[in-house]
Amino acid sequence: DIVMTQSPLSLPVTPGEPASISCKSSQSLLHSNGYNYLDWYLQKPGQSPQLLIYLGSNRASGVPDRFSGSGSGTDFTLKISRVEAEDVGIYYCMQARRPYSFGQGTKLEIK
Amino acid sequence: QVQLVQSGAEVKKPGSSVKVSCKASGDTFSSHAFSWVRQAPGQGLEWMGAILPILGTADYAQKFQGRVTLTMDGSTTTAYMELNNLRSEDTAVYYCARDLFVGSSWSHGMDVWGQGTTVTVSS
Repeated sequence: DIVMTQSPLSLPVTPGEPASISCKSSQSLLHSNGYNYLDWYLQKPGQSPQLLIYLGSNRASGVPDRFSGSGSGTDFTLKISRVEAEDVGIYYCMQARRPYSFGQGTKLEIK
Repeated sequence: QVQLVQSGAEVKKPGSSVKVSCKASGDTFSSHAFSWVRQAPGQGLEWMGAILPILGTADYAQKFQGRVTLTMDGSTTTAYMELNNLRSEDTAVYYCARDLFVGSSWSHGMDVWGQGTTVTVSS
């Protein structure tokens, strides 16, 4: 099975500042069709997870454009251009080839 | 807009079974797949399996093979997850999610999630 490794695991950020989370997979997530099957999810406190990014760089419906995903193969990054208070929670990457697997999660908190 | 509403919290004895339901509304049910993900207290997310009605199959994480059964009832637009031989380590919140699967193994993400069902296993 594919192992997903995130860093950092804890991310304190000042509002208005950028933030970046790294996700590495033990196998390439690049399909022969050119797409990377990597998702990003955010789980806000007390809520169900929500899809932020799919196929490595596509924002899900309703996701603010301050969120962006990049990367290919085994190395991916989620960036938040300017963190807002509502962005606190745990961010997970997930490789989207069954059996799916999640990273350990990165807890973003406001300084 | 699709909504997924899950059944209520359960308390079970070790060795028993639990069946969690996930009712979908607002969209074509049978054209989608549904994944189940669980989260133990204070822990991360763990994918358990997916049911793929168009393919007529279910796909399970190896860890849960033989202990979990995923089913769907198109007449009631409800998906079910049954977990057998419960142990204390199965205490968790269980989520269903609409899985935008493509092909036989790939997905464009899980875009709609249920509210979660807490299952507590305790003697």
